Amino acid sequence: GENVEQHPSTLSVQEGDSAVIKCTYSDSASNYFPWYKQELGKRPQLIIDIRSNVGEKKDQRIAVTLNKTAKHFSLHITETQPEDSAVYFCAASIRGNTPLVFGKGTRLSVIA
Amino acid sequence: NAGVTQTPKFQVLKTGQSMTLQCAQDMNHEYMSWYRQDPGMGLRLIHYSVGAGITDQGEVPNGYNVSRSTTEDFPLRLLSAAPSQTSVYFCASSYSMQETQYFGPGTRLLVL
Repeated sequence: GENVEQHPSTLSVQEGDSAVIKCTYSDSASNYFPWYKQELGKRPQLIIDIRSNVGEKKDQRIAVTLNKTAKHFSLHITETQPEDSAVYFCAASIRGNTPLVFGKGTRLSVIA
Repeated sequence: NAGVTQTPKFQVLKTGQSMTLQCAQDMNHEYMSWYRQDPGMGLRLIHYSVGAGITDQGEVPNGYNVSRSTTEDFPLRLLSAAPSQTSVYFCASSYSMQETQYFGPGTRLLVL
């Protein structure tokens, strides 16, 4: 089955700097890659996703890139703000009826 | 719309007791799933369902049962609680496995 590795497990950045979180996946048949944000004590919420027919997707300060050859995808947050502090999870899903497999999460702290 | 609801919010059990965690959604989603979240372990899939009458096991199904008699409800049953089942449990729903998953608020379970 699919395996998703996520790095780093913790990340601290100064407000205004950029943050990058990387994930690798094992199954080349995976074709859907969402990112979820979980604020302290809250439920996970989707912030952006990308499918394998696209190499990059942006939404304001957030972008995700996908490298199918290397089997990795990354979340980029620019101009970080204190409200970006949260745990971020990447996930991957294999083409067909297979559930999402989540990475173990990255705790991002934005220091004002 | 209420979205995805879960009850109870918090529960304390003694080892060996059984209980049911309730999950309901009003978005007419076919796909529903249960996850447990433990520190440093990310979101691990317990059971999932692609529609009424259909359920399947996830990554960590032992000690849990599910049923899906209606599209709206997807209860999770703990058969004989163990301290290892102390965790936060999230229910989620979506139109399909590769669409946005909407999470419930979670149930915090403590097994003594």
